[in-house]
Amino acid sequence: ETGVTQSPTHLIKTRGQQVTLRCSSQSGHNTVSWYQQALGQGPQFIFQYYREEENGRGNFPPRFSGLQFPNYSSELNVNALELDDSALYLCASSFGTQRRYADEQFFGPGTRLTVL
Amino acid sequence: DQQVKQNSPSLSVQEGRISILNCDYTNSMFDYFLWYKKYPAEGPTFLISISSIKDKNEDGRFTVFLNKSAKHLSLHIVPSQPGDSAVYFCAAPGFGNQFYFGTGTSLTVIP
Repeated sequence: ETGVTQSPTHLIKTRGQQVTLRCSSQSGHNTVSWYQQALGQGPQFIFQYYREEENGRGNFPPRFSGLQFPNYSSELNVNALELDDSALYLCASSFGTQRRYADEQFFGPGTRLTVL
Repeated sequence: DQQVKQNSPSLSVQEGRISILNCDYTNSMFDYFLWYKKYPAEGPTFLISISSIKDKNEDGRFTVFLNKSAKHLSLHIVPSQPGDSAVYFCAAPGFGNQFYFGTGTSLTVIP
């Protein structure tokens, strides 16, 4: 059983560029949630995908978008990068979306994005 | 609009002593809470949870206490071990399948 993996590990972009981050969910999981963790802050929920559909969104602008594929892996896309987008981006996979499953959420190691 | 707060950014404790990490929340609608532990270069890992119908949940060296009237929860680690040194986040589920995380407390257990 493989855990949650994310790629790339680190990424440096310039303001205005676009970025795609990838996440492979844990085997048997059909839900992926994405979080942004700025320095000194806790993870902030961006959105969740369940069976390829967006299933909840936090307070992030539309330039943050995502996809989930039939194998339940997921991408996070950020357009028109801003300096404040510099952060650790975490994805978490789980089975189902019932809140009682929430403690079964497994996080990947994250992608560190730096925007210059 | 901070829903979950951890007011202590860091805590140092001697090995063998008790570590107490605190968390306050603003929304009484939260029906359960979780604690996550995070080591550098790793994602957070689930540690322990508590339902709002309970006031205590224990798992080995880890105990979480919930005080609903004060909107406060705490994580007790007894005895603390050097391997417990990590950042601890409290979290609560909100509307729309999202989770609210606190800002974290960095625990250092001194051998």
